[in-house]
Amino acid sequence: DIQMIQSPSSLSASVGDRVTITCRASQSINRNLNWYQQKPGKVPNLLIYSASSLQGGVPSRFSGSGSGTDFTLTISSLQPEDFATYYCQQTNTGDTFGPGTKVDIK
Amino acid sequence: QVQLVQSGAEVKKPGASVMVSCKASGYTFTDYTIHWVRQAPGQSLEWMGWIIPANGNTKYSQNFQGRVTITRDTSATTAYMELSSLRSEDTAVYYCARPRSIAGRPNEGFDSWGQGTLVTVSS
Repeated sequence: DIQMIQSPSSLSASVGDRVTITCRASQSINRNLNWYQQKPGKVPNLLIYSASSLQGGVPSRFSGSGSGTDFTLTISSLQPEDFATYYCQQTNTGDTFGPGTKVDIK
Repeated sequence: QVQLVQSGAEVKKPGASVMVSCKASGYTFTDYTIHWVRQAPGQSLEWMGWIIPANGNTKYSQNFQGRVTITRDTSATTAYMELSSLRSEDTAVYYCARPRSIAGRPNEGFDSWGQGTLVTVSS
């Protein structure tokens, strides 16, 4: 099974900060990597698919990059509504989610 | 608009089985796979398996092999997930989800989710 590692597991940031979250796969997954945002008590919301494509309706401050085993989600200027937990998901072989990165207020 | 509506919360005893339903509307049911994902309290998301409604083909995570069965009723545009031999660690919210890409194409992530069904396993 492909394992996914996210770092950091949590971070504290301020409104306006640039935030970067990393996801690493245990083997190459090409560009079959998606990112989700989840707020407490809510269903996950797809932000980025295929490593770097922005899902419709998602603000352009969210961006994704990477291929192979290493991927990055960047929030260019953190907004109050962005405080949440972020998950990566590989869909290259079966589906596996990362353990999540919690972004909270500094 | 696409909607996935799941059945209500369940409380089960260890060793029992549970079946969760997922009623789809707003799109052609047979054009997209339906996946099942669960989330234990305070934990990450865990993929369980999928079904192709058009032909009933399924694929399951090895973590649940032998315990999970996913079926569908195309006339009712509903998918079902049954989990057997329940234990306390199966206490979680169970979601059905639909990929943004049609069946037969690589999974580009889930853009539609059911509201979630809490399954509690307790003696």
